[in-house]
Amino acid sequence: KAGVTQTPRYLIKTRGQQVTLSCSPISGHRSVSWYQQTPGQGLQFLFEYFSETQRNKGNFPGRFSGRQFSNSRSEMNVSTLELGDSALYLCASSLGVQGAGTDTQYFGPGTRLTVL
Amino acid sequence: AQSVTQLGSHVSVSEGALVLLRCNYSSSVPPYLFWYVQYPNQGLQLLLKYTSAATLVKGINGFEAEFKKSETSFHLTKPSAHMSDAAEYFCAVSLSGGADGLTFGKGTHLIIQP
Repeated sequence: KAGVTQTPRYLIKTRGQQVTLSCSPISGHRSVSWYQQTPGQGLQFLFEYFSETQRNKGNFPGRFSGRQFSNSRSEMNVSTLELGDSALYLCASSLGVQGAGTDTQYFGPGTRLTVL
Repeated sequence: AQSVTQLGSHVSVSEGALVLLRCNYSSSVPPYLFWYVQYPNQGLQLLLKYTSAATLVKGINGFEAEFKKSETSFHLTKPSAHMSDAAEYFCAVSLSGGADGLTFGKGTHLIIQP
């Protein structure tokens, strides 16, 4: 079974631009969660989508948004990029039976975003 | 709110020696606990998961962890380190229901000396 895939793997943007990241979950998984990983703050939960609806949300500003399609693929969007948004963005998929914190989550390789 | 503390941002052990990575959590309710490993330029891979079924949890690659409620700890061990174990290890906690996703520790970089 194919794992979680994320595209693109690397992105370079400038301040003020917006960016969209994509995540394809493992086949049969209905939940997709997004995490931000930075050297200073570590790994932080952004949000979780299940059946095309945002089910849970972390403590991030409204510039961070996402959506999920009927095939469970998910996109994450960051508008008005700031230097501090430079990070590795990880996507994780799970069956979705329970919440994002208790289902076993399978992570993708991440998208490395650099904001100049 | 839950939190996770990993003692030691870097741990160095000799090949063949015992690996011990420490994790303490705080949670007002019984937690779910996880250990993940991250190799360079890769995502996170689940090593093991505690869900209250048994206090000693066996995971992949010879790792195991013991849940100790009295000490609020969930330390990760492996009897004999291998060079391929060199990686970043993350302890994570979530509350039953998982509404807030996973809360991760800052990570411990494991270095294996030949």
